[in-house]
Amino acid sequence: GDSVTQMEGPVTLSEEAFLTINCTYTATGYPSLSWYVQYPGEGLQLLLKATKADDKGSNKGFEATYRKETTSFHLEKGSVQVSDSAVYFCALSGVGGYQKVTFGTGTKLQVIP
Amino acid sequence: DTGVSQNPRHKITKRGQNVTFRCDPISEHNRLYWYRQTLGQGPEFLTYFQNEAQLEKSRLLSDRFSAERPKGSFSTLEIQRTEQGDSAMYLCASSSKLTGTGGAYGYTFGSGTRLTVV
Repeated sequence: GDSVTQMEGPVTLSEEAFLTINCTYTATGYPSLSWYVQYPGEGLQLLLKATKADDKGSNKGFEATYRKETTSFHLEKGSVQVSDSAVYFCALSGVGGYQKVTFGTGTKLQVIP
Repeated sequence: DTGVSQNPRHKITKRGQNVTFRCDPISEHNRLYWYRQTLGQGPEFLTYFQNEAQLEKSRLLSDRFSAERPKGSFSTLEIQRTEQGDSAMYLCASSSKLTGTGGAYGYTFGSGTRLTVV
């Protein structure tokens, strides 16, 4: 079945550091890939999304590129801020059908001043 | 529209009691999903509705769990004879088809109902 594997956390970075959170997936067909963010005490929010190979999703300075050849969708940000501290989930959803989302286990990011 | 609304936000119940949660999706969304999230894990799919029809139930959804979506609007998730292992955050999401994105759907999650079984 479909699955998502993402790097374990927690990840601790200093403010303005470069961020990479790795994500790889296993799926049949051509899924859509996304990153969700969960800030402390809040619900899940869609951060960015890519629907086909070589697409780049971007939002709030974060970006991720859908790489079919390596089945990856790594999240990057050039300069993190304290306000980026949250849990980040990589996710995939199938094309067609009912679009249920399969999530990774989440990576906690802590940014220190 | 204020997004996906879930009630209650928190529920503490004694083992063996029944509990019911409610989800009000975004009004124009015809698809509604329930997920469960335990501490340190990603959300796990439980069940899905398109309008009032329940189209899939995960194997995670035992016979003690039942979900309904009468008239294709709000949905309820009931857990009968709760067990301590049912303690989790129960998330609801709704979605609609995004125009111009090759069939992709946009998801909106509610803030969840945190269940604690004591």
